[in-house]
Amino acid sequence: GEDVEQSLFLSVREGDSSVINCTYTDSSSTYLYWYKQEPGAGLQLLTYIFSNMDMKQDQRLTVLLNKKDKHLSLRIADTQTGDSAIYFCASGGANAGNMLTFGGGTRLMVKP
Amino acid sequence: KAGVTQTPRYLIKTRGQQVTLSCSPISGHRSVSWYQQTPGQGLQFLFEYFSETQRNKGNFPGRFSGRQFSNSRSEMNVSTLELGDSALYLCASSLDWGFSDGETQYFGPGTRLLVL
Repeated sequence: GEDVEQSLFLSVREGDSSVINCTYTDSSSTYLYWYKQEPGAGLQLLTYIFSNMDMKQDQRLTVLLNKKDKHLSLRIADTQTGDSAIYFCASGGANAGNMLTFGGGTRLMVKP
Repeated sequence: KAGVTQTPRYLIKTRGQQVTLSCSPISGHRSVSWYQQTPGQGLQFLFEYFSETQRNKGNFPGRFSGRQFSNSRSEMNVSTLELGDSALYLCASSLDWGFSDGETQYFGPGTRLLVL
Protein backbone atom coordinates (compact mmCIF):
# COMPACT_ATOMS: atom_id res chain seq x y z
CA GLY A 1 0.00 0.00 0.00
CA GLU A 2 0.86 3.67 0.05
CA ASP A 3 3.75 4.73 2.24
CA VAL A 4 4.63 8.27 3.31
CA GLU A 5 7.95 9.03 5.00
CA GLN A 6 9.18 12.07 6.89
CA SER A 7 12.24 12.87 8.95
CA LEU A 8 11.55 12.86 12.68
CA PHE A 9 12.99 16.11 13.89
CA LEU A 10 14.06 19.58 12.76
CA SER A 11 15.50 22.38 14.85
CA VAL A 12 15.88 25.96 13.58
CA ARG A 13 16.53 29.43 14.97
CA GLU A 14 13.76 32.00 15.10
CA GLY A 15 13.78 34.05 11.91
CA ASP A 16 15.41 31.33 9.80
CA SER A 17 13.60 29.32 7.14
CA SER A 18 12.47 25.77 7.91
CA VAL A 19 12.22 23.07 5.28
CA ILE A 20 10.33 19.89 6.09
CA ASN A 21 10.60 17.04 3.61
CA CYS A 22 8.32 14.15 2.74
CA THR A 23 8.44 11.26 0.28
CA TYR A 24 5.53 9.14 -0.86
CA THR A 25 5.30 5.97 -2.88
CA ASP A 26 2.00 6.00 -4.73
CA SER A 27 2.26 7.96 -7.97
CA SER A 28 -1.52 8.03 -8.28
CA SER A 29 -1.82 10.32 -5.27
CA THR A 30 -3.93 13.24 -6.42
CA TYR A 31 -3.52 15.68 -3.56
CA LEU A 32 -0.76 16.17 -1.04
CA TYR A 33 -1.40 17.95 2.22
CA TRP A 34 0.45 19.53 5.08
CA TYR A 35 -1.13 19.50 8.53
CA LYS A 36 0.13 21.01 11.78
CA GLN A 37 -0.51 19.52 15.22
CA GLU A 38 0.17 21.38 18.43
CA PRO A 39 0.33 19.57 21.79
CA GLY A 40 -3.01 18.18 22.85
CA ALA A 41 -4.76 19.42 19.72
CA GLY A 42 -6.19 18.00 16.53
CA LEU A 43 -4.79 18.53 13.05
CA GLN A 44 -4.82 21.96 11.47
CA LEU A 45 -4.81 22.04 7.68
CA LEU A 46 -1.98 24.33 6.52
CA THR A 47 -2.00 23.92 2.77
CA TYR A 48 -2.33 21.38 0.00
CA ILE A 49 -1.11 20.95 -3.56
CA PHE A 50 -2.65 19.18 -6.52
CA SER A 51 -0.41 16.63 -8.18
CA ASN A 52 -0.23 18.55 -11.48
CA MET A 53 1.36 21.56 -9.74
CA ASP A 54 5.04 22.07 -8.97
CA MET A 55 4.76 24.82 -6.42
CA LYS A 56 2.23 26.59 -4.29
CA GLN A 57 2.84 29.65 -2.15
CA ASP A 58 0.61 30.81 0.67
CA GLN A 59 2.00 33.70 2.74
CA ARG A 60 4.99 32.29 4.67
CA LEU A 61 4.41 28.77 3.36
CA THR A 62 5.84 27.37 0.12
CA VAL A 63 5.10 23.85 -1.02
CA LEU A 64 7.31 22.23 -3.64
CA LEU A 65 6.35 19.01 -5.37
CA ASN A 66 8.72 16.86 -7.42
CA LYS A 67 6.38 14.30 -8.86
CA LYS A 68 9.13 12.39 -10.64
CA ASP A 69 10.94 11.75 -7.36
CA LYS A 70 7.70 11.64 -5.33
CA HIS A 71 9.12 14.28 -3.03
CA LEU A 72 7.19 17.01 -1.27
CA SER A 73 8.57 19.81 0.85
CA LEU A 74 7.16 22.55 3.04
CA ARG A 75 9.18 25.71 3.50
CA ILE A 76 8.25 28.08 6.32
CA ALA A 77 9.80 31.50 5.90
CA ASP A 78 10.75 33.62 8.93
CA THR A 79 10.01 30.77 11.35
CA GLN A 80 8.56 31.87 14.68
CA THR A 81 8.43 30.14 18.06
CA GLY A 82 4.69 29.71 17.50
CA ASP A 83 5.53 27.45 14.56
CA SER A 84 6.91 24.83 16.96
CA ALA A 85 4.69 21.80 16.43
CA ILE A 86 4.52 18.46 14.65
CA TYR A 87 4.00 18.70 10.89
CA PHE A 88 2.38 15.87 8.98
CA CYS A 89 2.40 15.33 5.29
CA ALA A 90 -0.47 13.29 3.86
CA SER A 91 -1.42 11.94 0.48
CA GLY A 92 -4.89 11.41 -0.85
CA GLY A 93 -6.78 10.49 -3.95
CA ALA A 94 -4.85 7.32 -4.70
CA ASN A 95 -7.86 5.33 -3.52
CA ALA A 96 -11.52 6.08 -3.88
CA GLY A 97 -12.94 8.30 -1.22
CA ASN A 98 -11.35 10.73 1.18
CA MET A 99 -8.83 8.44 2.85
CA LEU A 100 -5.54 10.11 3.67
CA THR A 101 -2.26 8.32 4.25
CA PHE A 102 -0.08 10.19 6.73
CA GLY A 103 3.63 10.33 7.30
CA GLY A 104 4.97 9.85 10.80
CA GLY A 105 5.29 13.58 11.42
CA THR A 106 8.25 15.94 11.78
CA ARG A 107 8.69 17.69 15.10
CA LEU A 108 9.81 21.26 14.45
CA MET A 109 11.54 23.04 17.31
CA VAL A 110 12.13 26.77 16.94
CA LYS A 111 14.77 28.24 19.24
CA PRO A 112 14.59 31.93 20.18
CA LYS B 1 -19.02 28.65 10.88
CA ALA B 2 -18.43 26.14 13.65
CA GLY B 3 -15.68 23.60 13.14
CA VAL B 4 -15.73 19.87 13.65
CA THR B 5 -16.78 18.95 17.16
CA GLN B 6 -16.02 15.71 18.95
CA THR B 7 -17.42 14.44 22.21
CA PRO B 8 -16.31 13.53 24.72
CA ARG B 9 -12.84 15.07 24.66
CA TYR B 10 -11.42 12.67 27.24
CA LEU B 11 -12.47 9.22 28.29
CA ILE B 12 -11.15 6.56 30.65
CA LYS B 13 -12.36 3.00 30.29
CA THR B 14 -11.24 -0.41 31.48
CA ARG B 15 -10.38 -3.45 29.42
CA GLY B 16 -13.39 -5.33 28.12
CA GLN B 17 -15.71 -2.33 28.17
CA GLN B 18 -17.10 -0.71 25.08
CA VAL B 19 -17.07 2.95 24.09
CA THR B 20 -18.92 5.25 21.70
CA LEU B 21 -17.39 8.45 20.35
CA SER B 22 -19.30 11.15 18.54
CA CYS B 23 -18.39 13.55 15.75
CA SER B 24 -20.39 16.45 14.34
CA PRO B 25 -19.00 17.65 11.00
CA ILE B 26 -18.91 21.20 9.75
CA SER B 27 -22.36 22.36 8.73
CA GLY B 28 -23.04 21.31 5.15
CA HIS B 29 -20.29 18.69 5.08
CA ARG B 30 -21.54 15.25 4.26
CA SER B 31 -18.44 13.09 4.57
CA VAL B 32 -16.90 11.99 7.86
CA SER B 33 -13.68 10.02 8.30
CA TRP B 34 -12.15 8.59 11.45
CA TYR B 35 -8.47 8.16 12.30
CA GLN B 36 -6.61 6.63 15.22
CA GLN B 37 -3.41 8.31 16.39
CA THR B 38 -0.94 6.48 18.62
CA PRO B 39 2.75 7.15 19.35
CA GLY B 40 3.72 3.77 17.93
CA GLN B 41 1.58 3.53 14.80
CA GLY B 42 1.02 7.19 14.01
CA LEU B 43 -2.14 8.26 12.21
CA GLN B 44 -4.12 5.38 10.79
CA PHE B 45 -7.34 5.50 8.82
CA LEU B 46 -10.27 3.70 10.41
CA PHE B 47 -13.25 4.29 8.09
CA GLU B 48 -15.22 6.93 6.28
CA TYR B 49 -18.90 7.57 5.82
CA PHE B 50 -20.86 9.45 3.22
CA SER B 51 -24.62 9.63 2.97
CA GLU B 52 -25.00 7.22 5.89
CA THR B 53 -22.97 4.53 4.11
CA GLN B 54 -19.52 3.27 4.95
CA ARG B 55 -17.47 3.96 1.84
CA ASN B 56 -14.03 2.83 2.88
CA LYS B 57 -12.50 0.89 5.75
CA GLY B 58 -8.98 0.66 7.11
CA ASN B 59 -7.20 -2.37 8.46
CA PHE B 60 -8.75 -2.58 11.90
CA PRO B 61 -10.50 -5.52 13.61
CA GLY B 62 -14.26 -5.85 13.63
CA ARG B 63 -14.36 -4.48 17.19
CA PHE B 64 -14.17 -1.07 15.55
CA SER B 65 -17.39 0.02 13.93
CA GLY B 66 -19.17 3.21 13.04
CA ARG B 67 -22.24 4.75 11.59
CA GLN B 68 -23.49 8.00 10.17
CA PHE B 69 -26.85 9.59 10.71
CA SER B 70 -29.05 11.50 8.28
CA ASN B 71 -27.77 14.82 9.67
CA SER B 72 -24.18 13.67 8.82
CA ARG B 73 -23.19 13.26 12.46
CA SER B 74 -21.15 10.14 12.98
CA GLU B 75 -20.37 7.79 15.83
CA MET B 76 -17.69 5.20 16.19
CA ASN B 77 -17.85 2.30 18.59
CA VAL B 78 -15.11 0.11 19.98
CA SER B 79 -16.22 -3.04 21.73
CA THR B 80 -14.21 -5.23 24.12
CA LEU B 81 -11.58 -2.58 24.69
CA GLU B 82 -7.91 -3.55 24.82
CA LEU B 83 -5.01 -1.63 26.33
CA GLY B 84 -3.71 -1.01 22.80
CA ASP B 85 -6.87 0.92 21.93
CA SER B 86 -5.61 3.83 24.03
CA ALA B 87 -5.20 6.59 21.48
CA LEU B 88 -6.35 9.93 20.19
CA TYR B 89 -9.33 9.37 17.89
CA LEU B 90 -9.69 12.07 15.28
CA CYS B 91 -12.66 12.79 13.12
CA ALA B 92 -12.41 14.70 9.84
CA SER B 93 -15.17 16.21 7.78
CA SER B 94 -15.26 17.19 4.14
CA LEU B 95 -17.87 18.59 1.86
CA ASP B 96 -18.21 15.65 -0.44
CA TRP B 97 -16.83 12.20 -1.14
CA GLY B 98 -13.83 11.73 -3.35
CA PHE B 99 -11.06 14.15 -4.22
CA SER B 100 -12.70 16.61 -6.52
CA ASP B 101 -11.66 20.24 -6.91
CA GLY B 102 -9.21 20.20 -4.07
CA GLU B 103 -11.45 18.59 -1.55
CA THR B 104 -10.00 19.22 1.86
CA GLN B 105 -10.59 17.57 5.18
CA TYR B 106 -10.94 19.47 8.40
CA PHE B 107 -10.14 17.72 11.63
CA GLY B 108 -11.76 17.97 15.02
CA PRO B 109 -9.80 18.26 18.29
CA GLY B 110 -10.06 14.52 18.91
CA THR B 111 -11.19 12.27 21.73
CA ARG B 112 -8.39 10.99 23.92
CA LEU B 113 -9.23 7.48 25.11
CA LEU B 114 -7.29 5.79 27.88
CA VAL B 115 -7.91 2.10 28.49
CA LEU B 116 -6.80 0.78 31.89
